[in-house]
Amino acid sequence: GAGVSQSPRYKVAKRGQDVALRCDPISGHVSLFWYQQALGQGPEFLTYFQNEAQLDKSGLPSDRFFAERPEGSVSTLKIQRTQQEDSAVYLCASSLPDRVAAKNIQYFGAGTRLSVL
Amino acid sequence: AQSVSQHNHHVILSEAASLELGCNYSYGGTVNLFWYVQYPGQHLQLLLKYFSGDPLVKGIKGFEAEFIKSKFSFNLRKPSVQWSDTAEYFCAVTANTGGFKTIFGAGTRLFVKA
Repeated sequence: GAGVSQSPRYKVAKRGQDVALRCDPISGHVSLFWYQQALGQGPEFLTYFQNEAQLDKSGLPSDRFFAERPEGSVSTLKIQRTQQEDSAVYLCASSLPDRVAAKNIQYFGAGTRLSVL
Repeated sequence: AQSVSQHNHHVILSEAASLELGCNYSYGGTVNLFWYVQYPGQHLQLLLKYFSGDPLVKGIKGFEAEFIKSKFSFNLRKPSVQWSDTAEYFCAVTANTGGFKTIFGAGTRLFVKA
């Protein structure tokens, strides 16, 4: 597609409910990032995929958070047993990988705003 | 641990005023520096980047930033702002030895009065 697409745009969940957030990256982009952005803060790194391989998941805040990208394209971020502190905007970004990973220029989606009641 | 500090959370300027947004990072090694911008209702997008070479880098829409290694700073500047520059600006850093993690600052909301 023309840009990174995320769905749903808004999600309201009751505490304890499981949620799944989808990211459809730019076609051909092999790198995919997930971020959590709390109100008034910058994006905070959650995890990174190169194709289907999850190379860095150091930012996932707990074992309730799980991400996958089984075919190296669409990715899903799943949050189990949601808590109020999970309320945030979840951003997905994709990029063509530079030879040096740290030089990735990322293209962001619009995000999914999750509200946990 | 790496961190990025943006000094101003909110800035209000009149059109034609000069802009400087501060950004400091903490990391002792080689870094890559970015400014991203989010216009109202739009996605985060890259404004400019610094990897190496000339420490004064130019980006889109007349923005520039200067990397001062001794001060661990990467301040964003624009000589004359326009109403359309109203947006939120994020400074970000990656480390060449830090793998894939990008560290963002908390952001600065700029409002330009017409």
